[in-house]
Amino acid sequence: DAKTTQPPSMDCAEGRAANLPCNHSTISGNEYVYWYRQIHSQGPQYIIHGLKNNETNEMASLIITEDRKSSTLILPHATLRDTAVYYCIVRDIFSGNTPLVFGKGTRLSVIA
Amino acid sequence: KAGVTQTPRYLIKTRGQQVTLSCSPISGHRSVSWYQQTPGQGLQFLFEYFSETQRNKGNFPGRFSGRQFSNSRSEMNVSTLELGDSALYLCASSLPGEVGPTGYTFGSGTRLTVV
Repeated sequence: DAKTTQPPSMDCAEGRAANLPCNHSTISGNEYVYWYRQIHSQGPQYIIHGLKNNETNEMASLIITEDRKSSTLILPHATLRDTAVYYCIVRDIFSGNTPLVFGKGTRLSVIA
Repeated sequence: KAGVTQTPRYLIKTRGQQVTLSCSPISGHRSVSWYQQTPGQGLQFLFEYFSETQRNKGNFPGRFSGRQFSNSRSEMNVSTLELGDSALYLCASSLPGEVGPTGYTFGSGTRLTVV
């Protein structure tokens, strides 16, 4: 079962920042937080991951709370192409053989 | 570099038939995982193969099977198809024990419709 809780849907105006929350209150010390997204009818796409520090790449920023029980994915300037289902996943870094377990994710709609 | 290639992209089968789907991983990736995606159940893990051996298996009936070849290409087979098997079947490849930046790379999937 997925170890994360996400809101089922969110809207964001084009050009504004999209902030997608994720709760992972039972996360263990060895577990990374991964974010993937799935655009309609395509395979999931990796976005970003982190352990306890905030992370940023060309796609997004990941903010993890100090207690690591929740995180927020930030798309700084959302575009219509960012409309997708976003999945927050926790995975043990020492269990490279365990599969990614997807929850229901958050359906983000970017509105013009 | 080339991504994960899944064939065919679309497939229509009749109940009771069997089907084989193919996945070619990214060059150098030796682990291949399969997922089933339906509107009701979301993305569910089927199985994972590494070096021609099944390493993990999800909670699916024995009608679902797979294999991996020496070149890391993988196939999955569903026998005695049921209407509920209609889904998008996704394949993902990764390096062995990969927990690094990209983890899994997914293909575009095969959409199977059972009529």
